[in-house]
Amino acid sequence: EAQLLDSGGGLVQPGGSLRLSCAASGVTLRNYAMSWVRQAPGKGLEWVSEINAGGDRTYYADSVKGRFTISRDNSKNTLYLQMNSLRAEDTAVYYCARGVVVVAATSYGMDVWGQGTTVTVSS
Amino acid sequence: AIQMTQSPSSLSASVGDRVTITCRASQGIRNDLGWYQQKPGKAPKLLIYAASSLQSGVPSRFSGSGSGTDFTLTINTLQPEDFATYYCLQDYNYPHTFGQGTRLEIK
Repeated sequence: EAQLLDSGGGLVQPGGSLRLSCAASGVTLRNYAMSWVRQAPGKGLEWVSEINAGGDRTYYADSVKGRFTISRDNSKNTLYLQMNSLRAEDTAVYYCARGVVVVAATSYGMDVWGQGTTVTVSS
Repeated sequence: AIQMTQSPSSLSASVGDRVTITCRASQGIRNDLGWYQQKPGKAPKLLIYAASSLQSGVPSRFSGSGSGTDFTLTINTLQPEDFATYYCLQDYNYPHTFGQGTRLEIK
C-alpha cells in the first residue's frame, strides 16, 4: 500500500525557515509528479507547489513564489519543501500528495496523501 | 489564475438524500477537474478525477459530470460517512486552484 509520511513542521518565528519532508513507502516516487497542499486553521485547501517526476520543472502558488522551494531526492524516495521568509499567513497544515498524475493528456488527480504536518509561524 | 467558484458553501441533508455540488471555472478547463472529500483532522481523499471518472475504491453513489467551465458532484443515497467537506480542484494549468469548499452537514 502506498503511503506518504509528512514531517518537519513546528513553531518558527516570522522571517524564519523550515524544511518539510515527505517520505514514501510502498511506492516509488520517481515515476510521479508530487505536490504540496496546505490548509490554514479553519480555512479551505490551498495548492502550494508541484514538481515533475524528473525534478526539473517546478510550479508555485503566487503566495509562496520566491520564498518556497520544492525539491525531491528520488534516490531517497523523498519530497521536500524548503520554506524561507515565513509569515504568519503561512501557518497551516501542510500535506504532500502524489500527483497530479497526467497520462496521455488525462489528469488523474492527487491520489495518495500524507497525514499532514503543522507549521506555526508566530513570535 | 483560474478562479473556481463552488456552491453552495454549506448544505444540510439527511441520510438517503441525493445532493449536488457545483463548481464553476473562470475559464474553460476541459475536463481537468477533480473532487476531493475531507473529514475533520484528516487528509483529503480523491473521489473523482478527469471530471467524471470514479477513483478506485470510491463508492458508486459518487458521480461527477461537466466539461469546460461547469462541473457537478452528485452523491446519491447519502450515507452517514459522507458528511464531510468537499472541494473541487482544477489541474488544467498552473497555479492549480481549489474551490472554497462545500460543507455537507446532517439535517
